[in-house]
Amino acid sequence: GAVVSQHPSRVICKSGTSVKIECRSLDFQATTMFWYRQFPKQSLMLMATSNEGSKATYEQGVEKDKFLINHASLTLSTLTVTSAHPEDSSFYICSAVEGAYGYTFGSGTRLTVV
Amino acid sequence: GQQLNQSPQSMFIQEGEDVSMNCTSSSIFNTWLWYKQDPGEGPVLLIALYKAGELTSNGRLTAQFGITRKDSFLNISASIPSDVGIYFCAGQPYNNNDMRFGAGTRLTVKP
Repeated sequence: GAVVSQHPSRVICKSGTSVKIECRSLDFQATTMFWYRQFPKQSLMLMATSNEGSKATYEQGVEKDKFLINHASLTLSTLTVTSAHPEDSSFYICSAVEGAYGYTFGSGTRLTVV
Repeated sequence: GQQLNQSPQSMFIQEGEDVSMNCTSSSIFNTWLWYKQDPGEGPVLLIALYKAGELTSNGRLTAQFGITRKDSFLNISASIPSDVGIYFCAGQPYNNNDMRFGAGTRLTVKP
């Protein structure tokens, strides 16, 4: 089946620093990947749609300069949380679409900003 | 954007009982998916539905794509302790390539 690898699984960073999260499709090519944010005991909120070779599409209310998305290849999308603050602490999840298997999710990244 | 209404929000059941949860939308969806999420993990796909009226099973799980294309349900039969987790419905709107999620159903199974 389709496998999406997300790294790191956990990261703790200091306020003001930037953090990069990687999302890789391991056995298929993904022209489109999605980034979600999940608060405790809540559902997944779509942040942005990552398109290979072009700019990401951000959902309303998501700061594109705060959450930088790069989809430079068909198997890798990255989300960089810039100048992180404690309110950016959350669970971030990516997903990718593969025709036969539909949407497959990464295992998520727990970001804690101290 | 299109919203999904998932119910119930939580369920507390005894081992062996059957479970039913559903999702509704105000607009038409092309695809309905059901996921389970364990704590600290990403959602894992349980069942995918692509056609109105489609009824699909995966072991003790059964899901159906509503005829109106605006709803879906998931049933779990003879629940066991490892069924504990959060179940999310997700749908792909007919005019969009992204996925929208329900708020989730938190299932607790008492041995």
